[in-house]
Amino acid sequence: GEDVEQSLFLSVREGDSSVINCTYTDSSSTYLYWYKQEPGAGLQLLTYIFSNMDMKQDQRLTVLLNKKDKHLSLRIADTQTGDSAIYFCAETNPTDKLIFGTGTRLQVFP
Amino acid sequence: EAQVTQNPRYLITVTGKKLTVTCSQNMNHEYMSWYRQDPGLGLRQIYYSMNVEVTDKGDVPEGYKVSRKEKRNFPLILESPSPNQTSLYFCASRRAGGVAYEQYFGPGTRLTVT
Repeated sequence: GEDVEQSLFLSVREGDSSVINCTYTDSSSTYLYWYKQEPGAGLQLLTYIFSNMDMKQDQRLTVLLNKKDKHLSLRIADTQTGDSAIYFCAETNPTDKLIFGTGTRLQVFP
Repeated sequence: EAQVTQNPRYLITVTGKKLTVTCSQNMNHEYMSWYRQDPGLGLRQIYYSMNVEVTDKGDVPEGYKVSRKEKRNFPLILESPSPNQTSLYFCASRRAGGVAYEQYFGPGTRLTVT
């Protein structure tokens, strides 16, 4: 079956880089996503990557995809306190169903 | 402004008292769905609807009902809520044939069942 796993917590110092990791099991994934959920707020799509790409960069965000190992990562450069949130990895299969990971709570301290 | 709205945003209720969480979108989207979010489990799909009068079960449908009588609305009904339905609920919508990155999420409804 489809499964998406993430570590539950990550703590970083302001100004450092954060790397949030995700593993998935479905080899037929079409797209992979990163969503951000700030405290008390809904889900915000941060970025996505097509499954035939291995990297995507968007300002401070870098997404790396290792399809062989079914591993996705989100790197946030120069992490700020405003980046503190829960980050969800997600994938879609060919039926376009969204499967979410467990979420990683990122805490940024000064 | 394109948006998905949910009401109420917060609700505390007691076991067994029927409740409805409303969801409405103003984008003429065909596809709508409900998720619940629980710590350590991420978001799991409860029900989805491909169009008016077309609904189907997601991964965790037990204890929930939905209806889709109008394109813009997709209410989530808990006929007899239980404490294990305490959760954060999200409604989402997108156009038919759209891909998931085009999906819009509502702001969430935090439900507590005592």
